[in-house]
Amino acid sequence: DSGVTQTPKHLITATGQRVTLRCSPRSGDLSVYWYQQSLDQGLQFLIQYYNGEERAKGNILERFSAQQFPDLHSELNLSSLELGDSALYFCASSPLAGAGEQYFGPGTRLTVT
Amino acid sequence: QQQVKQSPQSLIVQKGGIPIINCAYENTAFDYFPWYQQFPGKGPALLIAIRPDVSEKKEGRFTISFNKSAKQFSLHIMDSQPGDSATYFCAASMDSNYQLIWGAGTKLIIKP
Repeated sequence: DSGVTQTPKHLITATGQRVTLRCSPRSGDLSVYWYQQSLDQGLQFLIQYYNGEERAKGNILERFSAQQFPDLHSELNLSSLELGDSALYFCASSPLAGAGEQYFGPGTRLTVT
Repeated sequence: QQQVKQSPQSLIVQKGGIPIINCAYENTAFDYFPWYQQFPGKGPALLIAIRPDVSEKKEGRFTISFNKSAKQFSLHIMDSQPGDSATYFCAASMDSNYQLIWGAGTKLIIKP
């Protein structure tokens, strides 16, 4: 158990809908990262927050957005969902401002039908 | 220059063998090189990491070899077991940057 929690574990929704994925980092970790992993694919970095502020952006679609709240939990919002958005979404946290060790949560499996 | 190239894509080894997974990078500013292990349906877990001031690091049956001049690093798994069957990712980062640059992953199968 990494100490990073993600909810929900599974999410099934229809095309065009909007969903929110939630992540709570390890106690004391200020950085949160979001990743997308499609079936049998690698990890695509989406976005990073540090202590409430956006720090780095990867291959995140304009339909996706994220934020980190004062209590350091983070939410990833996915809107106008398409079939191709079906994937595992991982959150990771790190105690460093830079990208040192990252600890991953169990992921949210999103299925868009 | 930001890429990390990982090989092979997949690997099958008999139990007790020593699988070796290789990664190569271009950016000499990278100074942190972790390996992650991922089981199906689970999040990646940090396995072992190395910084470029050492050429080798061992943790249990897992060893990272690092060749700074060749800009390559590799993961060796000693006395491999079926329970080591997983996908392994290498990555690299700079302390001054904020993200890990990931390899494409290697699917390892250890046959009993």
